[in-house]
Amino acid sequence: RKEVEQDPGPFNVPEGATVAFNCTYSNSASQSFFWYRQDCRKEPKLLMSVYSSGNEDGRFTAQLNRASQYISLLIRDSKLSDSATYLCVVNLSGYNKLIFGAGTRLAVHP
Amino acid sequence: EPEVTQTPSHQVTQMGQEVILRCVPISNHLYFYWYRQILGQKVEFLVSFYNNEISEKSEIFDDQFSVERPDGSNFTLKIRSTKLEDSAMYFCASGTTGTSGKTRYFGPGTRLTVT
Repeated sequence: RKEVEQDPGPFNVPEGATVAFNCTYSNSASQSFFWYRQDCRKEPKLLMSVYSSGNEDGRFTAQLNRASQYISLLIRDSKLSDSATYLCVVNLSGYNKLIFGAGTRLAVHP
Repeated sequence: EPEVTQTPSHQVTQMGQEVILRCVPISNHLYFYWYRQILGQKVEFLVSFYNNEISEKSEIFDDQFSVERPDGSNFTLKIRSTKLEDSAMYFCASGTTGTSGKTRYFGPGTRLTVT
């Protein structure tokens, strides 16, 4: 089983749409959770951390369900500039490395 | 805003040759990393480096790979004898803490092409 699994997409949505991405992780020792964004042939950039209580940053909302080992990202009012690959990332307790999912591609069209 | 820099942006080399990829981490960071991403695949951890030694490495990071911090600013990844399958984007990252991913900043990457 993959350590971090994501639906690869692509998700093709019109501007203004709401889109949700899901992610599951296999290791219950996972301690920290993140969503990164990666544009084509660029480095991953931290979008937001994910907390058990859920957290919001503008149009972006992240949720974590530790019992189900499930993470989600909701993007409201999609913009053309949101087109990118969204990477679900976990950090195991006591380990000094990030484990990346393969990413979900989002394409927002006019 | 401070950033991680990497050189070169693109390196082409022949199979069997040695390559050195260079990174300048953010100046007050203490933890340094190399990750790689083969085209179309996920980002994979290679190695972490703290206090002038490797703190963790993956199965990918075999004897062909080595890292060094030759001075106070550079952090390098050396591949001794490149293989075709080493072709990938190599990202350097640095951070202020070890196990908190939110403090990790990635450089723009070096695209390595092995022919």
